[in-house]
Amino acid sequence: EVQLVQSGAEVKKPGESLKISCEGIGYTFTNYWMGWVRQMPGKGLECMGIIYPGDSDTRYSPSFQGQVTISADKTITTAYLQWSSLKASDTAMYYCAKIRSGAFDIWGQGTMVTVSS
Amino acid sequence: EIVLTQSPGTLSLSPGERATLSCRASQSVSSNYLAWYQQKPGQAPRLLIYGASSRATGISDRFSGSGSGTDFTLTISRLEPEDFAVYYCQQYGSSPRTFGQGTKVEIK
Repeated sequence: EVQLVQSGAEVKKPGESLKISCEGIGYTFTNYWMGWVRQMPGKGLECMGIIYPGDSDTRYSPSFQGQVTISADKTITTAYLQWSSLKASDTAMYYCAKIRSGAFDIWGQGTMVTVSS
Repeated sequence: EIVLTQSPGTLSLSPGERATLSCRASQSVSSNYLAWYQQKPGQAPRLLIYGASSRATGISDRFSGSGSGTDFTLTISRLEPEDFAVYYCQQYGSSPRTFGQGTKVEIK
């Protein structure tokens, strides 16, 4: 069964760094683009960026360029989303999602990130 | 960036009724690269339709997608209790990929 398993919920303070993960299971990790999607509380979905784990080619949506870093380690079939200095406005649910035929066909369960002083 | 506008914001219907959801793009969506997702409270989104009209694996034939260019439609032929949820369209023909703001289908 193809699945994406994300790391657990995080509670952080403003200014702290964070790296969350998404493990791809049951498929050839290096053959499919992977995306990260943000959902702020009570709001809609926003695509943050995508990465091709085969060669780490990464594309960021303009709103997120310079705000986060997307990476992948193909040896452990895991993608990452990281922040160097969190803000309260980064409080959201973050989903990873595998891309097939262009669309997000398989989604992780989500990682809730709460940033509060 | 392509802006997707979904209408209506909320659709109040009864089980068994037909639901018609609209997604309008600010410019033409390349190759009809338009997807629809369903999201229930506390759950991750689920892919329903890709390529404007192709059903994803395991999706009921009650769900159908149509449209091209700038105007797309998701139709749910007969609403079942499990279909009451929020639906999002998304275009992936141009970078950045963008989502519509969502349509909530609620029980009347």
